[in-house]
Amino acid sequence: NAGVMQNPRHLVRRRGQEARLRCSPMKGHSHVYWYRQLPEEGLKFMVYLQKENIIDESGMPKERFSAEFPKEGPSILRIQQVVRGDSAAYFCASSPPAAASTDTQYFGPGTRLTVL
Amino acid sequence: GENVEQHPSTLSVQEGDSAVIKCTYSDSASNYFPWYKQELGKRPQLIIDIRSNVGEKKDQRIAVTLNKTAKHFSLHITETQPEDSAVYFCAAINDYKLSFGAGTTVTVRA
Repeated sequence: NAGVMQNPRHLVRRRGQEARLRCSPMKGHSHVYWYRQLPEEGLKFMVYLQKENIIDESGMPKERFSAEFPKEGPSILRIQQVVRGDSAAYFCASSPPAAASTDTQYFGPGTRLTVL
Repeated sequence: GENVEQHPSTLSVQEGDSAVIKCTYSDSASNYFPWYKQELGKRPQLIIDIRSNVGEKKDQRIAVTLNKTAKHFSLHITETQPEDSAVYFCAAINDYKLSFGAGTTVTVRA
């Protein structure tokens, strides 16, 4: 049973370019969460999605950031017109389709985004 | 929203000694408290968790205690080994959002 998959593992972009980060949840999991980790800090919640639905995006910046989890395929976190402050590790987590409030979230290996 | 505070930020222990990390949370509605271990450049790995209807849980050398009245929970690692060196994060779930503490860097000296 494969764990949460993320790609790419490392992504380098120049200021103004777009970054697309992909996350495939664990088999059987239908809840996906995205977190951002700045260097030497804890993880911060960004967005919570279920298939074809954004449940909570309160942690995501209002501009330039968007997320989706289509019926088919991985969840995508998209950052438009990246700036140096977007450099961070972006982690995806997933949990099964039960009571999400008390279910364990399993993390992927993360995508380390570097903006030059 | 939930606010999780974690202490200490760094902890150095002699191999074989115990390590204790403490966390407090602000929202009494939080009901699930996982602990994650993160090695440099790696993903956070769940090492133990506790739900709000339990006061203590143990798994080999790792134990977690929860005091709901005081809104604090602690991680205890006994007989520490060099491979325990990592950053440890406590977290609290309130409505599916994991709120993390700032992390504790644990160094086990051989």
